[in-house]
Amino acid sequence: DIVTTQSPDSLAVSLGETATINCKSSQSVFYSSNNKNYLAWYQQKPRQPPKLLIYWASTRESGVPDRFSGSGSGTDFTLTINNLQAEDVAVYYCQQHYTTPPYTFGQGTRLEIK
Amino acid sequence: EVQLVESGGGLIQPGGSLRLSCAASGFTFSSYWMHWVRQAPGKGLVWVSRVNGDGSSTNYADSVKGRFTISRDNAKSTLYLQMNRLTAEDTAIYYCAREMSTTQCFDSWGQGTLVTVSS
Repeated sequence: DIVTTQSPDSLAVSLGETATINCKSSQSVFYSSNNKNYLAWYQQKPRQPPKLLIYWASTRESGVPDRFSGSGSGTDFTLTINNLQAEDVAVYYCQQHYTTPPYTFGQGTRLEIK
Repeated sequence: EVQLVESGGGLIQPGGSLRLSCAASGFTFSSYWMHWVRQAPGKGLVWVSRVNGDGSSTNYADSVKGRFTISRDNAKSTLYLQMNRLTAEDTAIYYCAREMSTTQCFDSWGQGTLVTVSS
């Protein structure tokens, strides 16, 4: 099974600044046949279900603000949140969607306002 | 608008059984793989099970294999999870989720139903 590991476990960032969350997979999630990386990011606000933000490593889900961006390839990926807003306080999860099942998630990164 | 509404959670004793339901609306239910994902209190997301559109193919996490059964009724647009031989480790919020076509990630989630296994 592919293991995804996030870093850091938690971070605090000031309003208006940039938050960066990393995700590393235990093997490459890049499909050369379609040139896509099968890595997704979810946001889970307190007492809410997760919400899909990004898939294929960098494709924003419809309605997601462009402050959220994903990057990376192979085994190393980054979720970047620019111009941090108070409503971005949440736990963020990465998920590999390369080999399924099982569908594996990272352990989560808690983002708070400094 | 896509809606997924879970029900059936509650307090159950160890060794007991429970059936969860997820009522879907706003999309062609039979066209999508559907999943159950759980989250223990204060913990991360763990995939539990999936079923294909016509119910003919299912998969399970190793931790629930042989104890849980996923099924669906496309006529009722409802997803089910039959959970048997429950243990304290099964205590979690159970979410149903829709798999986005061609991507194997989850584009819609229900609000979840809490299952507590305790004596």
